[in-house]
Amino acid sequence: AQSVTQLGSHVSVSEGALVLLRCNYSSSVPPYLFWYVQYPNQGLQLLLKYTSAATLVKGINGFEAEFKKSETSFHLTKPSAHMSDAAEYFCAVSEGGGGFKTIFGAGTRLFVKA
Amino acid sequence: DTGVSQDPRHKITKRGQNVTFRCDPISEHNRLYWYRQTLGQGPEFLTYFQNEAQLEKSRLLSDRFSAERPKGSFSTLEIQRTEQGDSAMYLCASSSFEGGYTEAFFGQGTRLTVV
Repeated sequence: AQSVTQLGSHVSVSEGALVLLRCNYSSSVPPYLFWYVQYPNQGLQLLLKYTSAATLVKGINGFEAEFKKSETSFHLTKPSAHMSDAAEYFCAVSEGGGGFKTIFGAGTRLFVKA
Repeated sequence: DTGVSQDPRHKITKRGQNVTFRCDPISEHNRLYWYRQTLGQGPEFLTYFQNEAQLEKSRLLSDRFSAERPKGSFSTLEIQRTEQGDSAMYLCASSSFEGGYTEAFFGQGTRLTVV
């Protein structure tokens, strides 16, 4: 069975500092992995996805994530935080493409301090 | 195409009432998904359709919940005899599946409050 664990329900960084949001997954088959962002009262927007190609995945808004099979991790990073990055971030895993039964983590709320 | 559209965006209902939500997917997408998101949690899978066929339902989808996609286009999610525990954001997503990976696009959700 698939599962996702996001370490830290809240992360606070200063503007311009490195953003690191942690995600570990469990899957019985090679997974598809995703990071989504959600702003208040909005739906989810895909930041980036891993689909068994390059292990370092670049997404929108300067975010990237690295798939590490040995660590079953898919951490999200951004070199320099911007105030507009403040939002909820969800890591997700799917054993099938196209959002089929995608399992989401509980989310990490990112706060960015001026 | 303006993306996945959900209606209404907000719904307040009294306990015991029935409610129905609508989702209009991206027009060429053949798969449609419903998720439920409670406060402080990630979305939880409820059910999905491929065209008009409902292929899987989560155990979260009790007998009070029913979803349809009659012509393989828009979908409705009905909750009968609502309970306070049904208060949540209901998210719809769609994707185009022809084998292999395709991205799911999410709507903005319908926030249900049961009072």
